[in-house]
Amino acid sequence: NAGVTQTPKFQVLKTGQSMTLQCAQDMNHEYMSWYRQDPGMGLRLIHYSVGAGITDQGEVPNGYNVSRSTTEDFPLRLLSAAPSQTSVYFCASSLGGLAGASSYNEQFFGPGTRLTVL
Amino acid sequence: AQSVAQPEDQVNVAEGNPLTVKCTYSVSGNPYLFWYVQYPNRGLQFLLKYITGDNLVKGSYGFEAEFNKSQTSFHLKKPSALVSDSALYFCAVRQWYSSASKIIFGSGTRLSIRP
Repeated sequence: NAGVTQTPKFQVLKTGQSMTLQCAQDMNHEYMSWYRQDPGMGLRLIHYSVGAGITDQGEVPNGYNVSRSTTEDFPLRLLSAAPSQTSVYFCASSLGGLAGASSYNEQFFGPGTRLTVL
Repeated sequence: AQSVAQPEDQVNVAEGNPLTVKCTYSVSGNPYLFWYVQYPNRGLQFLLKYITGDNLVKGSYGFEAEFNKSQTSFHLKKPSALVSDSALYFCAVRQWYSSASKIIFGSGTRLSIRP
């Protein structure tokens, strides 16, 4: 199994540009999520999904969109990039979705995407 | 609102000595608590979790954590530190809501083990 994969590894954008960060997992996990990691602030939840067709907002959703058309994929879209979105982005997945099992299952993380917005 | 606090930005320990990385939490209801480790330029890796049962939880790489409900703490411990334990450690709490769970991470503690 490849686990959780993310592309690209690095990206530089100009203010106002849009782009999509890709995330895929091959473990048949229902629960998927996106985080951003900033120095001194830990990981903050952007959006999450409990299954195909179901998404919800996390702590810091503004400026980001997600969709979940398949169990495997959970792309994160930046609509109009801003310098405040410079960060390292992690995708994660775990077992369990609406059934509640996601509460006590550990997450598997991708290697991250380092994004710089100029 | 649920929260997790890691009061120490950095912990320095000599190799061979015991180590403790502190975590306190604030949730309503039963907490599901996790520890993750992050090595440089890598994603987070799961270490251990507390769901219910024995308050002392054993995990990967010789780490363990003690759940203390009265002190709302979940400190990570290891009896004898290794230089290879140097990394960034995150405590996290998950709580079940009406339709899904949300996970909240602490700000992280950098553990540095000197030879």
